[in-house]
Amino acid sequence: AQSVTQPDIHITVSEGASLELRCNYSYGATPYLFWYVQSPGQGLQLLLKYFSGDTLVQGIKGFEAEFKRSQSSFNLRKPSVHWSDAAEYFCAVEAGSQGNLIFGKGTKLSVKP
Amino acid sequence: DTAVSQTPKYLVTQMGNDKSIKCEQNLGHDTMYWYKQDSKKFLKIMFSYNNKELIINETVPNRFSPKSPDKAHLNLHINSLELGDSAVYFCASSLEGTGQETQYFGPGTRLLVL
Repeated sequence: AQSVTQPDIHITVSEGASLELRCNYSYGATPYLFWYVQSPGQGLQLLLKYFSGDTLVQGIKGFEAEFKRSQSSFNLRKPSVHWSDAAEYFCAVEAGSQGNLIFGKGTKLSVKP
Repeated sequence: DTAVSQTPKYLVTQMGNDKSIKCEQNLGHDTMYWYKQDSKKFLKIMFSYNNKELIINETVPNRFSPKSPDKAHLNLHINSLELGDSAVYFCASSLEGTGQETQYFGPGTRLLVL
């Protein structure tokens, strides 16, 4: 069965520091992968997505993610974190070409001044 | 202009009641979804609807039923509410529901069953 694992439940980084959020997936075919962000009390917003081609994808707000098939990973990165990046981040894989998104359990990001 | 809107934002009700949550999208999308986010923030898809056809119906109780009066609306009706139904429910939409698309989420409806 398809699944997504986000190993880190909560990460705290200092403002200006770099960030990497981990995501591992389990899916037999070529996955469609997504990162969504949820600000407190808000819905989810797409940061970036990977379907095929270049394994390094750029997203909004300065985020990027790299698809590594050999490691079944799709880690999210940002070179310099801003206080406004504090939120919950969800990795998701689409299974079955019907829009059925399977989400990881999320990583909460806190940003220290 | 809100792309995907949900009403109400908060819903507090008693066990056994029947309630509905409304969702509207003004993006012209063909497919709409309902997700449930539990107290541990775990998100799981419940339904998706395309052209008034149910595409995905995960293992949710039949007390939950999606109702789509038109392409722009997908309402979630819940009968005989239980304590375990307390959660945040998100509506989303995408252009065709083919899987390679961005899903646009509403702000969520926070349901509390007492």
